[in-house]
Amino acid sequence: QQQVKQSPQSLIVQKGGISIINCAYENTAFDYFPWYQQFPGKGPALLIAIRPDVSEKKEGRFTISFNKSAKQFSLHIMDSQPGDSATYFCAASGGVNAGNNRKLIWGLGTSLAVNP
Amino acid sequence: ETGVTQSPTHLIKTRGQQVTLRCSSQSGHNTVSWYQQALGQGPQFIFQYYREEENGRGNFPPRFSGLQFPNYSSELNVNALELDDSALYLCASSRNTGELFFGEGSRLTVL
Repeated sequence: QQQVKQSPQSLIVQKGGISIINCAYENTAFDYFPWYQQFPGKGPALLIAIRPDVSEKKEGRFTISFNKSAKQFSLHIMDSQPGDSATYFCAASGGVNAGNNRKLIWGLGTSLAVNP
Repeated sequence: ETGVTQSPTHLIKTRGQQVTLRCSSQSGHNTVSWYQQALGQGPQFIFQYYREEENGRGNFPPRFSGLQFPNYSSELNVNALELDDSALYLCASSRNTGELFFGEGSRLTVL
């Protein structure tokens, strides 16, 4: 059973448009929700992360919207650029273990293509 | 600052063989996590090491084992390889904040 459900599987956006990727989760113990970006042949890199005490977090062109009651969160990429073409993963984590470390549960990913 | 480095980058094994993958953590990081990423899938948590002790394990069989060394580098060992073990194996290091810094992965193909 997929604990973090991500949609859409793929997305095509025109340059300058808004890319929106959605994730839903079931486990109410999750308290940390990061988004990762992965280019082909590279490891994932953290884009932005949010905790459930806020409903929105913005960093540059990237915004996370969080709806605790609906158990959903989304990534918005404003003014999408061809260089944003990559696979995006949402993830979630509940609690920390020794050393303030976390185990992430990942969505299946969204392949984003931004056309010039 | 040196990032996370993994070796080898690519390798091919046959069913039943054993493999060791290596990871050097980012400078100052004391935690290493290993993830398996099958083609077209999200990463799956294998296990995590903190200060040389296993600090959490995902739903992987015991033939997946690991080590962390005093310099915080780490190894992932997989015994009795199966075809389904073919994947990208990602190592991530971290320190206290929960933010993971990934290497570029080791691509394992099992024939």
